[in-house]
This record gives sequence, C-alpha cells and structure tokens, in this order.
Amino acid sequence: DTAVSQTPKYLVTQMGNDKSIKCEQNLGHDTMYWYKQDSKKFLKIMFSYNNKELIINETVPNRFSPKSPDKAHLNLHINSLELGDSAVYFCASSQVGTGDEKLFFGSGTQLSVL
Amino acid sequence: SQKIEQNSEALNIQEGKTATLTCNYTNYSPAYLQWYRQDPGRGPVFLLLIRENEKEKRKERLKVTFDTTLKQSLFHITASQPADSATYLCASQSGNTPLVFGKGTRLSVIA
Repeated sequence: DTAVSQTPKYLVTQMGNDKSIKCEQNLGHDTMYWYKQDSKKFLKIMFSYNNKELIINETVPNRFSPKSPDKAHLNLHINSLELGDSAVYFCASSQVGTGDEKLFFGSGTQLSVL
Repeated sequence: SQKIEQNSEALNIQEGKTATLTCNYTNYSPAYLQWYRQDPGRGPVFLLLIRENEKEKRKERLKVTFDTTLKQSLFHITASQPADSATYLCASQSGNTPLVFGKGTRLSVIA
C-alpha cells in the first residue's frame, strides 16, 4: 500500500486552464503539505494543513487553492494556469508532535503548462 | 530569514570510497537536521535525523554529524556503491515553521 499517493503523475495542459491534483495519505498523520520543486530541483513549501485547517500559506499566488475535505486528503486546485507554474508538485504528510516530524512524500505530479 | 545551504551541486566519487556531503545553516539554530534521498521521478525519502545535542548518528553505511559551532551537518556514505547515486537533501525547521530544504547534492558513484 502506498503511504502517500497523488494523482495524476503527469499533467499537461494549456495556459489559462484550471486543474486539480489530488493527494491521499493512509498513515494516519495529522499534517499534510504541498511542496513545489522547480526546474533547478529546489523544493519549496507552499501550504501546510493540520487536521483540515490551513496552518502555513507561503507566498503563493491566490490562483492556488488547497482543499482538505478530511485529514487524510489534501487537494490542490490551480486556476488560470501560467507557464511559470510548470514544475513538479509534491504532497507530503507528517505527524506533528512526535519530536522528529519527518515527512513522507508522494511520488510527485509533473505539471507542464504549454 | 533562516537559510539552509548545500554548496555542492554535484559530487562524483569512485565506488568503494566514502562520500561526504555538506549542509550549512545560517540565521537560526535548528533543533534538528534531517537528510533525505531523492531518486529521479520520485519523492524524497527520509534517511536520518540528528538533534542539536547529538554529535553523530549512524544507520548502516550512513553517518551524519551535527556541529552547532560550525553550523554544519556532514552526511557520509561509506563503501559507496553505484546504487547510492541519487540527490541528497538536507532539511531543518525553526520553531513552528515547516521543513525547509537545501537545494540538494547530486551524488554519482562511478563503478
């Protein structure tokens, strides 16, 4: 069983479209995240949710809207896609308060905006 | 703001040698540092965590050190193998902020 799964694996779309990426974790963790990895492989935090509530919202355009229907799911919706949104998006989860907060990552969604 | 840096973008070593990767941090004092491995097309995978009061941590052929005076962590892979070729990321956090990652070092172990 995959611990953190995200779909789709690849997403190719035109500028201006709206798309969603889904993420689910079966680890029972209380915190989920979205990270963006750009072409230079730099992994940067976008959002953090704890028990369905937004905790961290880094400097991300408001075209990006995370949604957490329950603590096992954190979806990312992107409106009006732009060329600069092309990147790999990683979902991750952790259990806060354990003393190490190691992250478990999904396998990534490679988004290509044409 | 807190900064975490891995100054070597790439490192090539011969099979059997020890690989040493460096991670430096500035403007904060992390309670711990973490190291991850990332293979192409995959998400990062947690390897080791070392706390500020620990000098060294080992796991099989991996060793991590934490020097709070130098503000540095070293990650060693002994008896390296081609299968160790990957990108290695260090990460840490300060207070309640989420984990911040360095840019990674791409290790290539040549047979």
